[in-house]
Amino acid sequence: TQLLEQSPQFLSIQEGENLTVYCNSSSVFSSLQWYRQEPGEGPVLLVTVVTGGEVKKLKRLTFQFGDARKDSSLHITAAQTGDTGLYLCAGTKSDKLIFGTGTRLQVFP
Amino acid sequence: ETGVTQSPTHLIKTRGQQVTLRCSSQSGHNTVSWYQQALGQGPQFIFQYYREEENGRGNFPPRFSGLQFPNYSSELNVNALELDDSALYLCASSHSGGSDNEQFFGPGTRLTVL
Repeated sequence: TQLLEQSPQFLSIQEGENLTVYCNSSSVFSSLQWYRQEPGEGPVLLVTVVTGGEVKKLKRLTFQFGDARKDSSLHITAAQTGDTGLYLCAGTKSDKLIFGTGTRLQVFP
Repeated sequence: ETGVTQSPTHLIKTRGQQVTLRCSSQSGHNTVSWYQQALGQGPQFIFQYYREEENGRGNFPPRFSGLQFPNYSSELNVNALELDDSALYLCASSHSGGSDNEQFFGPGTRLTVL
């Protein structure tokens, strides 16, 4: 049973375009994290959001945690080829991470 | 500071065999979590070890077992391998009680079951 659903599953865009990835659940999480994973490597933490409605910015990346702490979004402005990778959201429940289904992003030059 | 390391990087086994995967946690971390990541999917939580005891388990059968050693390194053992066990196995270490519950992942072991 996948508690966290991400959409879209795949995204292929050109450099300079904007995009948003969604992470949705019917469960409430104490915190939510976003990771990026590249081929042959483990996931690398991008950000943790804790408070409902919280917005965090990391350069061109904007992360938002839903008011009810059940969903989150990741918005990338002016995508670059270096943004290519698998984006994973993960919710924290009882100190355990529950990962989403993943969004594979391909940015073409 | 040494990051999380895993061995081996790749492994090929046949159905019915047994496999042991190893993980060395990051310096200062006392908690190790194991995940299974099938191709094109997000990681699925297998179990977590804290102070050499299992501290939570996901929806995996008993043929998936683990150990944590006094130096906090860990092993994942899988008995009676099945074709569906083919996946990337990730280990992550963290410091229990640390802020944000940040887990640091190793590069993974790619297991192929034929």
